[in-house]
Amino acid sequence: EAQVTQNPRYLITVTGKKLTVTCSQNMNHEYMSWYRQDPGLGLRQIYYSMNVEVTDKGDVPEGYKVSRKEKRNFPLILESPSPNQTSLYFCASSLTGTGHNQPQHFGDGTRLSIL
Amino acid sequence: AQKITQTQPGMFVQEKEAVTLDCTYDTSDPSYGLFWYKQPSSGEMIFLIYQGSYDQQNATEGRYSLNFQKARKSANLVISASQLGDSAMYFCAMREGGTSYGKLTFGQGTILTVHP
Repeated sequence: EAQVTQNPRYLITVTGKKLTVTCSQNMNHEYMSWYRQDPGLGLRQIYYSMNVEVTDKGDVPEGYKVSRKEKRNFPLILESPSPNQTSLYFCASSLTGTGHNQPQHFGDGTRLSIL
Repeated sequence: AQKITQTQPGMFVQEKEAVTLDCTYDTSDPSYGLFWYKQPSSGEMIFLIYQGSYDQQNATEGRYSLNFQKARKSANLVISASQLGDSAMYFCAMREGGTSYGKLTFGQGTILTVHP
């Protein structure tokens, strides 16, 4: 089954404790992206990757890191999480990052709480 | 400036009736795509329908159709014969073909509640 898999689905942690949210897709997609969803703000892009070893900042990158060493994986790293990073996070992928006609397929989301 | 505007925070509809969820957008890029996603209370994002800026006809996918009015920059989602399972948050999103590097820009969403 074609899918984007995120782990964990839920995480409660404390300020400053490094964490990683994993994302993996099995559709051989070149493009991957991370979004965060906050009430009243919709979804905002954190980072994206056009292909392996090619990553760039989205609209709200502060406090986050990513890497794209393999095509299928795109982990999101919070090196020193803070309470304002409490949010619902989505990983998404599409065949390519160019053109406007490709829907992005989303993972099921990771609900992150930073105390 | 908001690129995607959904002016209806919440909508109510009776089961089996049709409902329209509004979406207006703003872009100067001639190539763009408009998407609607459904987010049930369980949280996942489900792709519903796509409309391209050059498409001559309105997109349809089963009970979903998109009322695309390019001159007015609107892309309203129409759900026909509503079902209880349609109760969810609905997001309109746009992907520009120029230098947006694949980013989806989302509206703030509309919560749809279907009454029996």
